[in-house]
Amino acid sequence: GAVVSQHPSWVICKSGTSVKIECRSLDFQATTMFWYRQFPKQSLMLMATSNEGSKATYEQGVEKDKFLINHASLTLSTLTVTSAHPEDSSFYICSARDPSGSDEQFFGPGTRLTVL
Amino acid sequence: GQNIDQPTEMTATEGAIVQINCTYQTSGFNGLFWYQQHAGEAPTFLSYNVLDGLEEKGRFSSFLSRSKGYSYLLLKELQMKDSASYLCAPSGGYQKVTFGTGTKLQVIP
Repeated sequence: GAVVSQHPSWVICKSGTSVKIECRSLDFQATTMFWYRQFPKQSLMLMATSNEGSKATYEQGVEKDKFLINHASLTLSTLTVTSAHPEDSSFYICSARDPSGSDEQFFGPGTRLTVL
Repeated sequence: GQNIDQPTEMTATEGAIVQINCTYQTSGFNGLFWYQQHAGEAPTFLSYNVLDGLEEKGRFSSFLSRSKGYSYLLLKELQMKDSASYLCAPSGGYQKVTFGTGTKLQVIP
């Protein structure tokens, strides 16, 4: 099956700093990737849809200037949390759509962000 | 918008059968996913139903009724490792997948 990786697996940073999270499709090309956020005991919330070569589409309530998404190649999308604050501490998960064209999404292992 | 309703928690005995129900309302509908998520981990794919009816895959089966906005996940011969959250996730307009809050299943000996 298709494999998606994320880096780093976890990160701790100081309030006010920026953190970059990478999402890679390892054995397939992904024109579309998705970024989710999950707070403890809550569901995965879609933050944005990342499209290769074009601007990301953000969900309502997600600040595009705070969560910068870059999908510069068919195998890499990055999410940068700018000026992070403790309330940004969460589990960030990316996924990529099945290259065969089905609706299935393949999830990365997630990145746990803790902002002190 | 999307509205997904599934029980918050369930408990079942090892070796038994458990059914996790999900009702949904979506603006546009392509199909419905079920994912398993262990604590602290990303979701893993279990099933995807597009047409009405039951689809069986080993110990897991999933049912869909598009007209009723209803699905269930059936787990047979429960094992301790099946203790996890099970996420009902309809795929709607623009192929976006929306996740419910999940049902936390605890399997007891």
